[in-house]
Amino acid sequence: RKEVEQDPGPFNVPEGATVAFNCTYSNSASQSFFWYRQDCRKEPKLLMSVYSSGNEDGRFTAQLNRASQYISLLIRDSKLSDSATYLCVATPLNTGGFKTIFGAGTRLFVKA
Amino acid sequence: DAGVIQSPRHEVTEMGQEVTLRCKPISGHDYLFWYRQTMMRGLELLIYFNNNVPIDDSGMPEDRFSAKMPNASFSTLKIQPSEPRDSAVYFCASRPSASFWETQYFGPGTRLLVL
Repeated sequence: RKEVEQDPGPFNVPEGATVAFNCTYSNSASQSFFWYRQDCRKEPKLLMSVYSSGNEDGRFTAQLNRASQYISLLIRDSKLSDSATYLCVATPLNTGGFKTIFGAGTRLFVKA
Repeated sequence: DAGVIQSPRHEVTEMGQEVTLRCKPISGHDYLFWYRQTMMRGLELLIYFNNNVPIDDSGMPEDRFSAKMPNASFSTLKIQPSEPRDSAVYFCASRPSASFWETQYFGPGTRLLVL
């Protein structure tokens, strides 16, 4: 079983749609969680952190459920520019440092 | 700040040749990570350093891969000898060590093709 698992998609949605991505992590000692966005042929970039209380940034909402070891990302009012791959990240408590585990990513295509 | 710098951006080589990838992290960042990304396997952590010391190299595929960080501003990932299955995008990333919530910053990557 992979340490961080995501539905690979692709998700094909029309502009204006709401889309949700899910991610599960296997290490219950994971300390911090993130969503990164990766555009085609580019490097991953931080989209948002995922706090225990959940957090919202404009059209994006991230939730964490520690009991179920589950992270979600909700995108409202999808834009064409949201088309990208979304990577879920967990950082397990690891002696000596911050080993980050990336999921394989979920591809999103937003069409006009 | 210039961000994480990687070179070369593209590398095409023949099987059996030595390949050296280079990375300059963001100044002041204590952690440096090397990743490999392929369509089949996604983004894999190969090795990471803290204060120039390798902390975890369990992701290094085999002895053909080696990484060094001789100082705080430079790291290399070497593949010798290279094989076609090493073809991938190799990313370097860095982050400060302040807390678990610090962001990793990725370089633009090196696209490696081994023929």
